[in-house]
Amino acid sequence: DVKVTQSSRYLVKRTGEKVFLECVQDMDHENMFWYRQDPGLGLRLIYFSYDVKMKEKGDIPEGYSVSREKKERFSLILESASTNQTSMYLCASTGGQGSYNEQFFGPGTRLTVL
Amino acid sequence: RKEVEQDPGPFNVPEGATVAFNCTYSNSASQSFFWYRQDCRKEPKLLMSVYSSGNEDGRFTAQLNRASQYISLLIRDSKLSDSATYLCVVNRTTGNQFYFGTGTSLTVIP
Repeated sequence: DVKVTQSSRYLVKRTGEKVFLECVQDMDHENMFWYRQDPGLGLRLIYFSYDVKMKEKGDIPEGYSVSREKKERFSLILESASTNQTSMYLCASTGGQGSYNEQFFGPGTRLTVL
Repeated sequence: RKEVEQDPGPFNVPEGATVAFNCTYSNSASQSFFWYRQDCRKEPKLLMSVYSSGNEDGRFTAQLNRASQYISLLIRDSKLSDSATYLCVVNRTTGNQFYFGTGTSLTVIP
């Protein structure tokens, strides 16, 4: 059974803290993605990576960075958390370069920044 | 203009009804198209891909109109278990980015 796992389901942090969100996939997928999901705004792409040590900015990269040191792991970093980063964070992965590849999502991390 | 636009609903329909959702996309370079389903407090999961010739999976039928840049999903004989949010997704293989609509909420009522 394919799996994308995220390090935490719920996280509460304080403004200014550094936050790490970890994502691991066991499908040997090349492509990994970080999204945030907010009511009325849908899923918005923060960053994605198509290979180890490679990263590309999505639509809303400001305030975030990412790290992909190993193929199976893609980390999202909030250098200095702010209240407007309170959101649901979803990690996803796809394999190969075909245009109809399915995205597999992790269960999400609900982050609250106080 | 948003890449993908959907009517957010909500759609409240009785069991057994037929319901249709539409979605429009703005970029004609979009290559592949999907409907995802998201249950409350869960992650999105692929419902079906949408091919140019249209495709059917049981009670679900998806259509693509490239000329008008819209995608549709038809659900026949609605079940209570169909209650969820349905996300329209398009992909441009250049850059391999997926663009999500904000979702259409469906509640099937007994």
